[in-house]
Amino acid sequence: EIVLTQSPATLSLSPGERATLSCRASQSVSSYLAWYQQKPGQAPRLLIYDASNRATGIPARFSGSGSGTDFTLTISSLEPEDFAVYYCQQRSNWPRNTFGQGTRLEIK
Amino acid sequence: EVQLVQSGAEVKKPGESLKISCKGSGYSFTSYWIGWVRQMPGKGLEWMGIIYPGDSDTRYSPSFQGQVTISADKSISTAYLQWSSLKASDTAMYYCVTGTNYGDYWGQGTLVTVSS
Repeated sequence: EIVLTQSPATLSLSPGERATLSCRASQSVSSYLAWYQQKPGQAPRLLIYDASNRATGIPARFSGSGSGTDFTLTISSLEPEDFAVYYCQQRSNWPRNTFGQGTRLEIK
Repeated sequence: EVQLVQSGAEVKKPGESLKISCKGSGYSFTSYWIGWVRQMPGKGLEWMGIIYPGDSDTRYSPSFQGQVTISADKSISTAYLQWSSLKASDTAMYYCVTGTNYGDYWGQGTLVTVSS
């Protein structure tokens, strides 16, 4: 099973700052990685797919990069609604997808 | 508009059986996989498995193989997740999800509580 490790576990930032979230895979997943945002009481929402493609309706301040085993989600300038939990997911060995354990982005 | 509508919250006792549902609309139900994701209280997301409603081909993640059964009835565009004997550790929110290659569309979640 491919293990995804996200860091940091918690990130404390202020609105307007830049956020950088990391996801590392235990083996190469090529570019088959997605990022999701989950707010309390809500289902997750797809942000980025195939490492760097924004999903429909996702603001341009969200961007993804990376390939192989190291991936990054960047939020260029945090808005109040961006404070949430973020998960990465790989589909390299579909259908045995796996998620990372999540990064909590909290207001400083 | 693609929608996945899940059945309501359930409260069950250990040892009881349960089947929860996820009804798809706004797209060709048999053309896309449907997956199930578990989220235990205060925890992260866990991929349980998927089904292709067109031919009922079903695949499970190793952790969930033998623990749950995923099925679908394409005549009513509905997927199911069932347990034959619930445990307290099955207490969680369960989401159904579909998409092209990733989770583009999610159900609202079904909260399952197992308690004596």
